[in-house]
Formats: sequence, C-alpha cells, structure tokens
Amino acid sequence: NAGVTQTPKFQVLKTGQSMTLQCAQDMNHNSMYWYRQDPGMGLRLIYYSASEGTTDKGEVPNGYNVSRLNKREFSLRLESAAPSQTSVYFCASQGGQGREKLFFGSGTQLSVL
Amino acid sequence: GESVGLHLPTLSVQEGDNSIINCAYSNSASDYFIWYKQESGKGPQFIIDIRSNMDKRQGQRVTVLLNKTVKHLSLQIAATQPGDSAVYFCAENYSGGRRALTFGSGTRLQVQP
Repeated sequence: NAGVTQTPKFQVLKTGQSMTLQCAQDMNHNSMYWYRQDPGMGLRLIYYSASEGTTDKGEVPNGYNVSRLNKREFSLRLESAAPSQTSVYFCASQGGQGREKLFFGSGTQLSVL
Repeated sequence: GESVGLHLPTLSVQEGDNSIINCAYSNSASDYFIWYKQESGKGPQFIIDIRSNMDKRQGQRVTVLLNKTVKHLSLQIAATQPGDSAVYFCAENYSGGRRALTFGSGTRLQVQP
C-alpha cells in the first residue's frame, strides 16, 4: 500500500530557481493538502484542495502555487525560490464522509541557498 | 488568532513508565482533536482522535483525554517503549471552519532505557 507518495525526497535550489513538488495518493481521497514544517515548529498549511478542481489558500500561501491535476495528484510549485522557503514539505490526503484524519507522505526536504 | 499549543517541549521518561503529553487549545469551537507521532525523517503518523462529544477514548496503549472546560487535551502512553521516542503533535479542527487541521508545535518524547 503506497498511500501518499511525494517526490523528490531532497532538493537543493539556488535563490530564484523554480521547482515543482509532486504528490500522489492512491486511497481515492477527495481532499489533499500541502504543509511546511520548520525546525521546532508544527506544520503550517500552505494550500489545500477540498476536491478535484478546487484549491484554496492556507496560512502561508505566499510564494507558492498549486495544481490539483486530477483526483490522485496535487503539486506544489515554487516559482522563484527564496531562502525563507527552506523547509520540509509534507503532502497529505483526507477521506470524506466525516473522516478527518490526514494521511501524510514522507516529506520533501528543500534547501534554498 | 486561535492556536493550538503544548505545555512541554521535551518529555523524558524511563522505559516502562507511563507518559503524559499535554496540549492546550484556544478555539472553543473546536470539535475534533487528533494526535500524531512523528519519527525523525518521516511524516506524521496518526495515533488517535477524539470528537468533542467524548471526554476519553482509548486505543492500544494510548488514551486521549479531552477537558473542554479548560480546553485541554492529553495523550497518555502506557508502558512507554523505546519505539515511542518521537515528536508528538496535537491538532484540532472545527466543523464550521476550514477542513484542514491546525497543528501545535510538538513535544519531543525521549524514552530512557
């Protein structure tokens, strides 16, 4: 059971470079999320998608864009990376019908130099 | 704004002892609470959840207690084992708001052999 799969696991960028973090889930979940986790802190919501075709901003959306490509895939794009975006990024999915726990991927560690 | 926080950043216990991890929340409208365990280099893993119509819920070696009067949540781990060493996060949500969970900053549990 793959669950939530994120790629890449590690990435180093220079300031101003762009990249896309990929996320896919195989649990037929409607909702998907992107969080970032900074050292010593909890997870902060960047963007989420309640269903295929919809996306909404979270707490810290500036500098990011997302695409819900289909029900399985939800990508996060950094158009012009900044050192402040150095973090660990987690994708998560959530089933419907009142179930609210999130299933997380293993994360992408991103460093922006 | 509303937030979820933790009383103790680090908790050290002896193997075999019971552990209690505490969490305070400030949103009185929160009606769903969840605990996650995060091991180093991995994504958060679901432990147990509780809805606001309950004050206690038990799982395998874990118990979550909810005190809505003082807006306090705790996770009890019985007979703590070295494999329990991790960072534990509480998170909350409420039906009238955004679907995404709001996470606290985490407590590190260290189990001494």
